[in-house]
Amino acid sequence: QVQLVQSGADVKKPGASVKVSCKAFGYTFTDYYMHWVRQAPGQGPEWMGWINPKTGGTSYALNFQGRVTMTRDTSINTLYLELSRLRSDDAAVYFCARDPDNEDYFDYWGQGTLVTVSS
Amino acid sequence: DIVMTQSPDSLAVSLGERATINCKSSQSILYSSSSKEYLAWYQQKPGQPPKLLIYWASTRKSGVPDRFSGSGSGTDFTLTISNLQAEDVAVYYCQQYYSRPPTFGGGTKVEIK
Repeated sequence: QVQLVQSGADVKKPGASVKVSCKAFGYTFTDYYMHWVRQAPGQGPEWMGWINPKTGGTSYALNFQGRVTMTRDTSINTLYLELSRLRSDDAAVYFCARDPDNEDYFDYWGQGTLVTVSS
Repeated sequence: DIVMTQSPDSLAVSLGERATINCKSSQSILYSSSSKEYLAWYQQKPGQPPKLLIYWASTRKSGVPDRFSGSGSGTDFTLTISNLQAEDVAVYYCQQYYSRPPTFGGGTKVEIK
């Protein structure tokens, strides 16, 4: 069955960078676009961007352009999200999510990775 | 960006009764050439990721109980949970995917009365 397994929680200082991983199981990794979505405490989800695992092509939300990098390693079916110049308001749970139709909705989600930003 | 507004913020419903959640988009999310409404509904329980329930406004994902149904068109949409069960306690989100960025509503918390 489809599973997306993310890396564990992380604590970073303001100004640092964080890298979150998402390993896919149970389907052909390169067949589906993948997205990253974050959720601050008590808030609705916020879309960050997508990556095409087949080509490595990406598209980022305007709010994150210049600070976000999405990559993948097809040899190990793993995606990566790197967010730089962290601020206190970047503290959130970060999710990877699969796009079943290339239509920007999400049928399977990772379990989430809590990123804490604190000095 | 398209703004998604959900109402109410929370509601309490008796077991076995119906819960109705509303979602309004700031512009139409109907793609006229396909007659498809670009709206999804998710359920999120504490400490878990969102779970897809409904897409294309009314298509239930495989495995989702048929007490969950979606309806609406244009800018106004509804998620109905009929015969509410204890395991349906959660926060529910609508999401438009008509235009980028995809955006989510603020959520509706469903509790048992």
